[in-house]
Amino acid sequence: NAGVMQNPRHLVRRRGQEARLRCSPMKGHSHVYWYRQLPEEGLKFMVYLQKENIIDESGMPKERFSAEFPKEGPSILRIQQVVRGDSAAYFCASSPTGEGNYGYTFGSGTRLTVV
Amino acid sequence: KQEVTQIPAALSVPEGENLVLNCSFTDSAIYNLQWFRQDPGKGLTSLLLIQSSQREQTSGRLNASLDKSSGRSTLYIAASQPGDSATYLCAPPPPGRRALTFGSGTRLQVQP
Repeated sequence: NAGVMQNPRHLVRRRGQEARLRCSPMKGHSHVYWYRQLPEEGLKFMVYLQKENIIDESGMPKERFSAEFPKEGPSILRIQQVVRGDSAAYFCASSPTGEGNYGYTFGSGTRLTVV
Repeated sequence: KQEVTQIPAALSVPEGENLVLNCSFTDSAIYNLQWFRQDPGKGLTSLLLIQSSQREQTSGRLNASLDKSSGRSTLYIAASQPGDSATYLCAPPPPGRRALTFGSGTRLQVQP
């Protein structure tokens, strides 16, 4: 079991470009969560998705950010027109149910640098 | 909304000491509680998952206890080693279909 796979591990974008971050959950997990960690800060929840549905996007900025988890393929976190303040580590977690009773598994993250 | 507090915020100890990390949370209607460690520049590694029906869980030199009614969990690290240096995070999943909320964690430094 390869665990939660995130790619790319590192991503550099110029201001104004788009960033696409991918997350493949553990086999058998249909619930995906995205978190952002700014330098020297804690993990902040962004969005929770189940296959083809957004369950909770209360932590995601209303503009420029979007997320999807299609029926087939990985979950995608998309940031349009990136700004320097988007530079952070983005982590994805997955769980087999949405109730948390089996715990959560995290990926190694994508470190986004906006230059 | 689940609020998580971890004490102390930072801890620096010499190698070999036994340690106690504390976690408190506001919503005690939880299924379980999970402890993670995060190494600098890395992702989160799950250490222990304690179900609400359990009072404690052990893995090697780590022991975690859970007192759901008082909203507290404690992580004990026995005979600390420099390799234990990391930030430790506790995460009690809120009831219902919601995501984990993290506190600021305890940053541990074990001196050789």
